Amino acid sequence: GAGVSQSPSNKVTEKGKDVELRCDPISGHTALYWYRQSLGQGLEFLIYFQGNSAPDKSGLPSDRFSAERTGGSVSTLTIQRTQQEDSAVYLCASSLGRLAGGPGGELFFGEGSRLTVL
Amino acid sequence: AQSVTQLDSHVSVSEGTPVLLRCNYSSSYSPSLFWYVQHPNKGLQLLLKYTSAATLVKGINGFEAEFKKSETSFHLTKPSAHMSDAAEYFCVSPTGRRALTFGSGTRLQVQP
Repeated sequence: GAGVSQSPSNKVTEKGKDVELRCDPISGHTALYWYRQSLGQGLEFLIYFQGNSAPDKSGLPSDRFSAERTGGSVSTLTIQRTQQEDSAVYLCASSLGRLAGGPGGELFFGEGSRLTVL
Repeated sequence: AQSVTQLDSHVSVSEGTPVLLRCNYSSSYSPSLFWYVQHPNKGLQLLLKYTSAATLVKGINGFEAEFKKSETSFHLTKPSAHMSDAAEYFCVSPTGRRALTFGSGTRLQVQP
């Protein structure tokens, strides 16, 4: 597609439910990132995928969070047993390069999925 | 590790007046630095990037930034603000190889 596509754009769920957020990166981009943007917390790195390499999960806040990337393209971020503090905008980004910010490493962001946990 | 500090959480200017959004970086080596903009309910968009080729970097929408090593600064400027510039602006640096670290953001208001 023309840009990074995320769905759903808005999700309201009840505490304790599981949610799945989807990211469709720009075609041909090998790197894919998930960030979380919370009010008062800024942007927080969650996880990074590069090609077929093992993902960098160092930013995931707890074991309730997981992500996968199928076929090197679409990614799904899953949050199990959601808590109110999980409420945030979840942003996905993709890039061509291996080095974030390096040659070809410009990140292209989707418009985000706004999650509200009641 | 490299990090960035945005000195102002909010900046308000009048339309047609200059814009200055301040960012300081900390690094022991010549960094890569970026400015991203986020309009309300939109994703982040790259405004400009510094990768040591030139200290004055021109970006989209008339924005530019100057890398000043002596001041460890990478301030974002625009000569004349437009109403459409109202947004949140993030100064960004790479963190290791795999991710970007975002500053806390500066919300720019443009008054008519």
